[in-house]
Amino acid sequence: DAGVTQSPTHLIKTRGQQVTLRCSPKSGHDTVSWYQQALGQGPQFIFQYYEEEERQRGNFPDRFSGHQFPNYSSELNVNALLLGDSALYLCASSLGRGYETQYFGPGTRLLVL
Amino acid sequence: AQKVTQAQTEISVVEKEDVTLDCVYETRDTTYYLFWYKQPPSGELVFLIRRNSFDEQNEISGRYSWNFQKSTSSFNFTITASQVVDSAVYFCALSVSNAGNMLTFGGGTRLMVKP
Repeated sequence: DAGVTQSPTHLIKTRGQQVTLRCSPKSGHDTVSWYQQALGQGPQFIFQYYEEEERQRGNFPDRFSGHQFPNYSSELNVNALLLGDSALYLCASSLGRGYETQYFGPGTRLLVL
Repeated sequence: AQKVTQAQTEISVVEKEDVTLDCVYETRDTTYYLFWYKQPPSGELVFLIRRNSFDEQNEISGRYSWNFQKSTSSFNFTITASQVVDSAVYFCALSVSNAGNMLTFGGGTRLMVKP
């Protein structure tokens, strides 16, 4: 049973650049959520995708956008990178829009210089 | 708005000691779910337990046990006879009915178990 996978594992960018992170959900799951985890803090919710639409969004600027594909995989895009965007980006998958448990991937560590 | 507080930022114990990680939550919703996740140095969040607001039964799973008390809005996690492999950051999280499946996390407690 394949778990949640994310790519790449690590990424280094410079300020002003754009980045795309990818996530494949756990087998059988159709909902993908993205979280940002700054060093030493708890994860912060960015947004959630279900049925290829953004269903919920946390307190993040429009520079953060996403997409969900028909196979339920998802991308997170961040434009005009800032130093403060340096963090671990975690993808979580679940089934449906209810209270099902979210299972997390290994994350992508983004460093913005 | 929802809030989760983990007052203990770091705990250090010696192997075989029991340790309790505290979690206090705030919400006005009557329907909500509470979670505990473990984050080892690799970074991946590992699901440990989910508990809904209508089930106050405590739960035990091997060396792990959870104490849910609505009266004090707490959902504490105890590891009995700790082991070095338990060393990790532990997060408590909350999801509420009017916020879909969004998880609100606490700041985490770093547990160090020394041999």
